[in-house]
Amino acid sequence: GENVEQHPSTLSVQEGDSAVIKCTYSDSASNYFPWYKQELGKRPQLIIDIRSNVGEKKDQRIAVTLNKTAKHFSLHITETQPEDSAVYFCAASKAGNTPLVFGKGTRLSVIA
Amino acid sequence: DAEITQSPRHKITETGRQVTLACHQTWNHNNMFWYRQDLGHGLRLIHYSYGVQDTNKGEVSDGYSVSRSNTEDLPLTLESAASSQTSVYFCASSEPLTETQYFGPGTRLLVL
Repeated sequence: GENVEQHPSTLSVQEGDSAVIKCTYSDSASNYFPWYKQELGKRPQLIIDIRSNVGEKKDQRIAVTLNKTAKHFSLHITETQPEDSAVYFCAASKAGNTPLVFGKGTRLSVIA
Repeated sequence: DAEITQSPRHKITETGRQVTLACHQTWNHNNMFWYRQDLGHGLRLIHYSYGVQDTNKGEVSDGYSVSRSNTEDLPLTLESAASSQTSVYFCASSEPLTETQYFGPGTRLLVL
């Protein structure tokens, strides 16, 4: 089955700097790649997603890139702010209504 | 507004007791999922359902069961609670076309 690896497990950046979180997946049939943000004590919430027919997607300070050949995708956060501090999860799934497989998460700390 | 709710939000039980966690969504989503979240393991899929009377095992289904008698609810039952089942449990729902999963607020379960 699908396996999703996420790195790094923790990341600290200075406010205003960029943060990059990377994920790799094992199943070349996977075609949907969402990213979730989970603040302390809260539920995971979708922040951005990408499908395999697109190489990059942006939403304000957040962008996701996908390399299907290498089977990896990345989350980029620019101009980080303290409110970006949270745990971020990547996930992958195949077409045909299959469940998401999540990475183990990255704890991002933005230092003011 | 449509939403997804979980109850109870906090539960303390004893080893060997049967426990049922409730999940209710008002989006009329066909797909519903149960995850457990433990430090260092991210979100692990317990059971999922693609519609009424449909249930499927996930990655960590041993000791858990679900039933789907209507679209809105997917209760999770721990048949005989074990200390290893101490965790935070999240329910989620989605529509097949969008694949976006919406998470409930979570239930924190402590098994003594």
